[in-house]
Amino acid sequence: EAGVAQSPRYKIIEKRQSVAFWCNPISGHATLYWYQQILGQGPKLLIQFQNNGVVDDSQLPKDRFSAERLKGVDSTLKIQPAKLEDSAVYLCASSLNKGTSGELFFGEGSRLTVL
Amino acid sequence: RKEVEQDPGPFNVPEGATVAFNCTYSNSASQSFFWYRQDCRKEPKLLMSVYSSGNEDGRFTAQLNRASQYISLLIRDSKLSDSATYLCVVRNTGFQKLVFGTGTRLLVSP
Repeated sequence: EAGVAQSPRYKIIEKRQSVAFWCNPISGHATLYWYQQILGQGPKLLIQFQNNGVVDDSQLPKDRFSAERLKGVDSTLKIQPAKLEDSAVYLCASSLNKGTSGELFFGEGSRLTVL
Repeated sequence: RKEVEQDPGPFNVPEGATVAFNCTYSNSASQSFFWYRQDCRKEPKLLMSVYSSGNEDGRFTAQLNRASQYISLLIRDSKLSDSATYLCVVRNTGFQKLVFGTGTRLLVSP
């Protein structure tokens, strides 16, 4: 079974530029998550989708971050304009049925460096 | 106060040693608890769930103390391959958000 796919794996941009990350979850997984993991910290939830609806975006910096999951399958996360503190790994994860079992399947992540 | 707190370590132990990690959580209404493992520069993966009665999976034992809001992970007979960061994860009410701790780094040496 294919896992969660993310691209690009690495991205280097200058501050104030924009960047977009793409995620394709495991087939059949209704719930999709975007996490931000800063070096030395645990993953922090940015946004959670149930199918194509947002169920939690309380920690998403909405002045610069946006995310969509238009057809309830793949998703994009955009940052515009980027700040130095956005340097992190952006992890996409998916789960069955809101992740009731606690098992989230993560992609390999997109590592962003903002110079 | 952070929702989930862990000692970041690193814990340096020799092969064969027993090591224990602790985690505390602040939300008394938290429903479920998990340990995830994250290898260096890799994605997190579920290690095991934590049940109220305590549970064991091979060399790994997880325990929960709801009164003290405290979770533990015990690893017996450590292997070199156990070297990783162990993330304590708590599920809160509402949208069932999973909250990750900072992680505890374990280094097992020969």
